Amino acid sequence: EPEVTQTPSHQVTQMGQEVILRCVPISNHLYFYWYRQILGQKVEFLVSFYNNEISEKSEIFDDQFSVERPDGSNFTLKIRSTKLEDSAMYFCASSEVGLRNTEAFFGQGTRLTVV
Amino acid sequence: GENVEQHPSTLSVQEGDSAVIKCTYSDSASNYFPWYKQELGKRPQLIIDIRSNVGEKKDQRIAVTLNKTAKHFSLHITETQPEDSAVYFCAASIGADSWGKLQFGAGTQVVVTP
Repeated sequence: EPEVTQTPSHQVTQMGQEVILRCVPISNHLYFYWYRQILGQKVEFLVSFYNNEISEKSEIFDDQFSVERPDGSNFTLKIRSTKLEDSAMYFCASSEVGLRNTEAFFGQGTRLTVV
Repeated sequence: GENVEQHPSTLSVQEGDSAVIKCTYSDSASNYFPWYKQELGKRPQLIIDIRSNVGEKKDQRIAVTLNKTAKHFSLHITETQPEDSAVYFCAASIGADSWGKLQFGAGTQVVVTP
């Protein structure tokens, strides 16, 4: 069964550094998403991406964050100048079309630890 | 703002009994309601979903009900088994035009004891 894959599974970075989290969505999917889950808290929506541009973003997704589809298979989340409070599990997801008509499949997550 | 409330936060049931998890949402434009199961250290996995044009959906031991008037939806697991132990998250789509924004509940830790 096709799966969304994320790398790395765990990333430790120093405060102030930039990190790039990588995702390979399911191959025939057109919509891509990033969510995050701070330890002990809810899963929170960050951004959705379709047709090479951001469709929606939350108030969390400020200028510190950016997304990119650098090639035909990868979907990346870049976090600039990381802060301690960016420590969380980051989930990538993809769906065939929008959620009006299909479901989202999640990757296994990247645990980001900012020290 | 939009919010999804989920109860209970923990649920302990004996094997074979039923488990019910309830969620309420605030955005009247929400039209898609998935449930995800997350085992420790693993990805959230979609187990069932419901869209606003139906009131109930069943898949073997799992069922979801939706009451749009009251803005609540529930997950029912019958004949629970130890492998049902996990954290369950409800979610609701946000915004009438949203194609991908889900608001999640806080999760319910379900423990099924043999």
